[in-house]
Amino acid sequence: GAGVSQSPRYKVTKRGQDVTLRCDPISSHATLYWYQQALGQGPEFLTYFNYEAQPDKSGLPSDRFSAERPEGSISTLTIQRTEQRDSAMYRCASSPLRGNGYTFGSGTRLTVV
Amino acid sequence: AQSVTQPDIHITVSEGASLELRCNYSYGATPYLFWYVQSPGQGLQLLLKYFSGDTLVQGIKGFEAEFKRSQSSFNLRKPSVHWSDAAEYFCAVAFTGGGNKLTFGTGTQLKVEL
Repeated sequence: GAGVSQSPRYKVTKRGQDVTLRCDPISSHATLYWYQQALGQGPEFLTYFNYEAQPDKSGLPSDRFSAERPEGSISTLTIQRTEQRDSAMYRCASSPLRGNGYTFGSGTRLTVV
Repeated sequence: AQSVTQPDIHITVSEGASLELRCNYSYGATPYLFWYVQSPGQGLQLLLKYFSGDTLVQGIKGFEAEFKRSQSSFNLRKPSVHWSDAAEYFCAVAFTGGGNKLTFGTGTQLKVEL
């Protein structure tokens, strides 16, 4: 697509439920990133993909968080057994493989109640 | 590990006044440096970036930033602020070999008084 698309824009879930967030990057971009942005903070790195490979997932806060990009395009971020501290804006970005400078999506605002 | 400090959480300026937003980083080598702007309900938009070369970088919307190695700083400037510049501004760094993952500062909220 022309830009980075994230869905849903807003998600409210009950504590303990699983949620899956989706990111559709710019079609020509090989690299895709996930960031978590708590209220009043800057985005924090979670993980990234080069095509379908996931070289770095060091930012995932716990094993409840996982991400996939099985065909090297659309990616999902899944949070299992959500907790209130998972409430944040989740941002996806994409870039060319050797590019410098991302294009961010509008984000998904997750609220765990 | 690298870190980014934006010492000003909130800044208020009058429309037409000049603006400088501060950013300091901690890293052993020269990183890649970025400034992003975030408006309510919008994604992060890249204003400008520095990789090498001329230390004064021009960006979109009339913004510029200057890399000062001796001060480990990358301050953002604009000569005359417009009301539409009100937003949150983030400084970020990346380093080679790190997959270009960004480390962001905590942001500076800019308010513009008419």
